[in-house]
Amino acid sequence: QSVLTQPPSVSAAPGQKVTISCSGSSSNIGNNYVSWYQQLPGTAPKLLIYDNNERPSGIPDRFSGSKSGSSATLYITGLQTGDEADYYCGTWDSSLSAGVFGGGTKLTVL
Amino acid sequence: QVTLKESGPVLVKPTETLALTCTVSGFSLSNPRMGVSWIRQPPGKALEWLAHIFSNDEKSYGTSLKNRLTISKDTSKSQVVLTMTNMDPVDTATYYCARIRHSGSYYFDYWGLGALVTVSS
Repeated sequence: QSVLTQPPSVSAAPGQKVTISCSGSSSNIGNNYVSWYQQLPGTAPKLLIYDNNERPSGIPDRFSGSKSGSSATLYITGLQTGDEADYYCGTWDSSLSAGVFGGGTKLTVL
Repeated sequence: QVTLKESGPVLVKPTETLALTCTVSGFSLSNPRMGVSWIRQPPGKALEWLAHIFSNDEKSYGTSLKNRLTISKDTSKSQVVLTMTNMDPVDTATYYCARIRHSGSYYFDYWGLGALVTVSS
């Protein structure tokens, strides 16, 4: 059971927008920055968003993030078939003194 | 160019000790704003954070595996080693090492390709 809670799956049509939620507590999301990772099939995870809403260079602005209280959200607009992947949220948990991840969300672009 | 590469045995027997090495390039393990973490992923399952080590040798371990894990680094060799004792078939997973950025935040900006470790007799 993951410390952070994500929906197992989301889906939308090409060109549409999708949101992926990540719920935690005051010991993790509530008091620490959130990051998001994209894992394409058979590959290593890749950083998409850090510090709640910052994009590394090379990540298109179709990907964005936000945080409110103990929850965070990943937004993907203009969906493409190449966006089909598993998405994970992550952060530091100050009570556990450990890194934590969500259970992952599988995105299907219909 | 930042790279991380995991190396170690592909197959280990139950009760054996696993030793994995992460060899990094493009940054120094002495950089105070960076560290290295180990993360694993059982087949078809989610990511699980295992441990990290920072430049000042500060270490942290996942609570469920704390008693079985040891992380260490050799800055001169640009290597981070993770040992896990008493391996069990449930430890079968792809093991990733990743660079941590931790000045005020905590995230993994570069990942290795991963090393699949199978635990079986």
